Amino acid sequence: QKEVEQDPGPLSVPEGAIVSLNCTYSNSAFQYFMWYRQYSRKGPELLMYTYSSGNKEDGRFTAQVDKSSKYISLFIRDSQPSDSATYLCAMSAAGTYKYIFGTGTRLKVLA
Amino acid sequence: EADIYQTPRYLVIGTGKKITLECSQTMGHDKMYWYQQDPGMELHLIHYSYGVNSTEKGDLSSESTVSRIRTEHFPLTLESARPSHTSQYLCASSWGKEGYTFGSGTRLTVV
Repeated sequence: QKEVEQDPGPLSVPEGAIVSLNCTYSNSAFQYFMWYRQYSRKGPELLMYTYSSGNKEDGRFTAQVDKSSKYISLFIRDSQPSDSATYLCAMSAAGTYKYIFGTGTRLKVLA
Repeated sequence: EADIYQTPRYLVIGTGKKITLECSQTMGHDKMYWYQQDPGMELHLIHYSYGVNSTEKGDLSSESTVSRIRTEHFPLTLESARPSHTSQYLCASSWGKEGYTFGSGTRLTVV
């Protein structure tokens, strides 16, 4: 079993929709959580960083962490065609700078 | 402008050749990483460094080697390229836990 599970998609939504992207994990030691966006032929770009449980909001993006369920989410409000990309979750335990990445979810926002 | 640079962006090379993938960052980050990314698969850590003259192998076995003689430079070398090395290689750097900055990647094809 992989430490981090992420549905690869593709997920297609109409412009303006609210998008929910999710990851589950098995290691209860994970405390640091990140979401990256990766456009085709580019490197991943950090979107959100969260420590421990709770919510964090940045513009149209909201990250949620539920440590009791070992589940993290990224919500995108008012989705735009420019949001079409692959979204990667990543997580890390205390005492290490190494992150474990999910496989990524490919999102397509249709105009 | 602070950034992380990878060269070349694309490389097609014959079996048995020695190659070096370059990675440089201008942010003064002490930690640097090399990841391998195949389509539909999660990023796999192949090497990391927490400072000058410090290098470690990552979680994915790799026939490559790295060096860290200067803070800003973290090249990856393959002594004898094989078709199984065909992949995208991503370099990243960080200061703490608050996320990595990735380069644009090198897409390597070994024929």
